This record gives sequence, structure tokens and C-alpha cells, in this order.
Amino acid sequence: TQLLEQSPQFLSIQEGENLTVYCNSSSVFSSLQWYRQEPGEGPVLLVTVVTGGEVKKLKRLTFQFGDARKDSSLHITAAQPGDTGLYLCAGCYNQGGKLIFGQGTELSVKP
Amino acid sequence: GAGVSQSPSNKVTEKGKDVELRCDPISGHTALYWYRQSLGQGLEFLIYFQGNSAPDKSGLPSDRFSAERTGGSVSTLTIQRTQQEDSAVYLCASSPPGTSGKYEQYFGPGTRLTVT
Repeated sequence: TQLLEQSPQFLSIQEGENLTVYCNSSSVFSSLQWYRQEPGEGPVLLVTVVTGGEVKKLKRLTFQFGDARKDSSLHITAAQPGDTGLYLCAGCYNQGGKLIFGQGTELSVKP
Repeated sequence: GAGVSQSPSNKVTEKGKDVELRCDPISGHTALYWYRQSLGQGLEFLIYFQGNSAPDKSGLPSDRFSAERTGGSVSTLTIQRTQQEDSAVYLCASSPPGTSGKYEQYFGPGTRLTVT
């Protein structure tokens, strides 16, 4: 069974702080995606990483894919209340489009 | 353009009844996925349709669950003889063709199913 461990599960920080969310597996991903979900809505794709060592930036969000393609991280710089939400990593293990999701990180940014 | 739509948005049903959940993918998307999201379980893969290929049903939790995709577009997820543990948000997603193996998925808002 392929598992994707995501940590931390909950994160409550003050506006302006930095944070990192981690996603780890013992298996190699063919690709990994990060999503953000708000209450009552479906997840929204933020980024896809494919190449080991890849780094992608989306404004204050930096996504990194591990060299061995088994792990990934999401770093948010100077968090804002609008960043509040559930962040999900999802890995594709080369079985078509089937995604295995991490448990999610519930982020709360207080003004 | 229009995103993935799902209906109904909420469904309350009695234990033992059958339910049908509908998904309209983004026009032109060839792949369609169903997931289930429940408290403490995260997002679980249920089933995946790609074009005319046989669907990947490996995530369906029991034979009470089935799904169809008619005409390569609309999909229906059917749960027979519902149980309380079926209560969850059922999410549908679709992917465009030619994603170079990225399988980027676009989700609908989900159907919240409550079995009483």
C-alpha cells in the first residue's frame, strides 16, 4: 500500500511568519501535486512537480521536489490571513491518473 | 469557462436506500475521477475513467459502490444500500488530455452525503 505522510496536520501562526509543510513517502512519485481547499469547495491545484530537485515558486509559496522524488515541501513566506485553508499534497505513482493524497495540513493564519 | 459541476450539492438519505451522485466534467477533459473525503480519512481515491479504457475501480470500498461514464462525459456514482459509514463528501475531478504524465486534476465542489 502506498502511503503519503503529510506534516504537520495543524498549524496556527501569526501573520508575517514563515512556515513549511512536508510530504513524504517510501515510494517514488512520477509526479506530485499540491492543492489548497477551502470549506465547502473542492481542492484547487496550486502546482505540479515532476523532476527530482525541482523548485517552483508561486508568489510567496515555494514548492520543492526531493532529488529522489519521494518527498516534497511547501514553504510559505510572510503568511497572510488569506493563506488560511487546507493544504493537500497528492502523489501519482505511475498508475494512470490515480492520486494518493496526504492527510492534509490545516493552516490558520491569524491577523 | 465552466468548471466541474456536481449534483446534488447535499444529499440526506436513510440507511439502506440507494443514492446516485452526478458529475459533469469540464468539456474536452478525457479523464474523470471520483474521490471520497471524510473526517479523519483524508481524500480517498475511488475510481478513474480514461477515454474508452476500462475504468480503474481499485479504490471502490465495496460492491455496493459502482460508477458509470456515459458518452465519455457525464458520470454517475451509485451507492446501493447506503450505510452510515458512507457519509462523506464525494468529489469528482477531471483532467485534460496531453498533460505529459502530470495528471493535473480539476475538482468540482463535491456532494455532501449524509446517511441517517
